[in-house]
Amino acid sequence: ETGVTQSPTHLIKTRGQQVTLRCSSQSGHNTVSWYQQALGQGPQFIFQYYREEENGRGNFPPRFSGLQFPNYSSELNVNALELDDSALYLCASSLWRGRETETQYFGPGTRLLVL
Amino acid sequence: AQRVTQPEKLLSVFKGAPVELKCNYSYSGSPELFWYVQYSRQRLQLLLRHISRESIKGFTADLNKGETSFHLKKPFAQEEDSAMYYCALRGVTGGGNKLTFGTGTQLKVEL
Repeated sequence: ETGVTQSPTHLIKTRGQQVTLRCSSQSGHNTVSWYQQALGQGPQFIFQYYREEENGRGNFPPRFSGLQFPNYSSELNVNALELDDSALYLCASSLWRGRETETQYFGPGTRLLVL
Repeated sequence: AQRVTQPEKLLSVFKGAPVELKCNYSYSGSPELFWYVQYSRQRLQLLLRHISRESIKGFTADLNKGETSFHLKKPFAQEEDSAMYYCALRGVTGGGNKLTFGTGTQLKVEL
């Protein structure tokens, strides 16, 4: 069984640039969630993808967007980067069977620094 | 809106002492509560969930709907318990299957 993987591990960008972060789900999982964790804070829900469609969104602006692919891997895209976007971005995968969703398993995260 | 509050940023105890990490929540529906743990240089991982009602690594947590709390307890702290602990709530407010996390409590077990 392969765990959740994320790439890259670290990234430095400048204000106004765009960034794409990648996540590979754990084997057998069909749902991916993305979280932003600022320094000293708990993770905050950005959005979730199921069957390649967005299935819930947190309080983040539209410049945060995502994709889920047929193999259940996912991308998080952030446009027009701002200094406050500097954070650890976590991906979590889970299995949704219809009514209940199983435990979310987290990846190691991508640390983004915006200068 | 759903909210999770962990009032302590840091909790320091001696080895063998009891541990209680506090968690209070706010949610209008029927909540599902979790404790996640992050050991040094490791990823966030599930410690326990209230619906399982099990003890993991000696930790237990009881959901108290009257007090809207889900405190994490262990009778005798071990050095390897030192880690960051996050309480989380799962709800469907706003769509999806999102987890709402508290700000975390750093547990330090001293010898």
